[in-house]
Amino acid sequence: DAGVIQSPRHEVTEMGQEVTLRCKPISGHDYLFWYRQTMMRGLELLIYFNNNVPIDDSGMPEDRFSAKMPNASFSTLKIQPSEPRDSAVYFCASSLTGASYEQYFGPGTRLTVT
Amino acid sequence: AQRVTQPEKLLSVFKGAPVELKCNYSYSGSPELFWYVQYSRQRLQLLLRHISRESIKGFTADLNKGETSFHLKKPFAQEEDSAMYYCALDTDKLIFGTGTRLQVFP
Repeated sequence: DAGVIQSPRHEVTEMGQEVTLRCKPISGHDYLFWYRQTMMRGLELLIYFNNNVPIDDSGMPEDRFSAKMPNASFSTLKIQPSEPRDSAVYFCASSLTGASYEQYFGPGTRLTVT
Repeated sequence: AQRVTQPEKLLSVFKGAPVELKCNYSYSGSPELFWYVQYSRQRLQLLLRHISRESIKGFTADLNKGETSFHLKKPFAQEEDSAMYYCALDTDKLIFGTGTRLQVFP
């Protein structure tokens, strides 16, 4: 298994543009998590899904952010419109059970908004 | 409020020196704490859990409820320990600290 797959690995965009980040969880994992990593705030949970249903989106910073999981093998995190302060590394993780620590992380997407 | 604090952004030591990465938490319930590590160009991965009380790669961490701390320690640092370390608190989701970058010089 290739583990959690994220694309793109790097994204550079201009302020105001729409950005879509993609994640493919490990097959069979029922939980999917989106995190944002910044120098100032470290790793923050944005949202997580269980069986494709969003369970907790309290970490989503504002309405510009949205996440979907149309099926068990794919999720997107969209930012529209993007702003320079959104620049960060975005991680996706998946887990088989609800035990939070048993998460497998993807390689991350480094987003730069200019 | 549920919170994890890692006061040091960067910790630099020489090979063979002892290492202690600090972590303090704030949580009203019974805490479950973890250390995660991210080596250069690798994925974030679980290093150890407090509940298992094991030593991984020479690292140990003891939960001190009185001081609300879960510091990560290693008696003799190695160059390959250089990485980003995150302390995390498990509530109904993982709450991470801001991370400490450990640099071990030869």
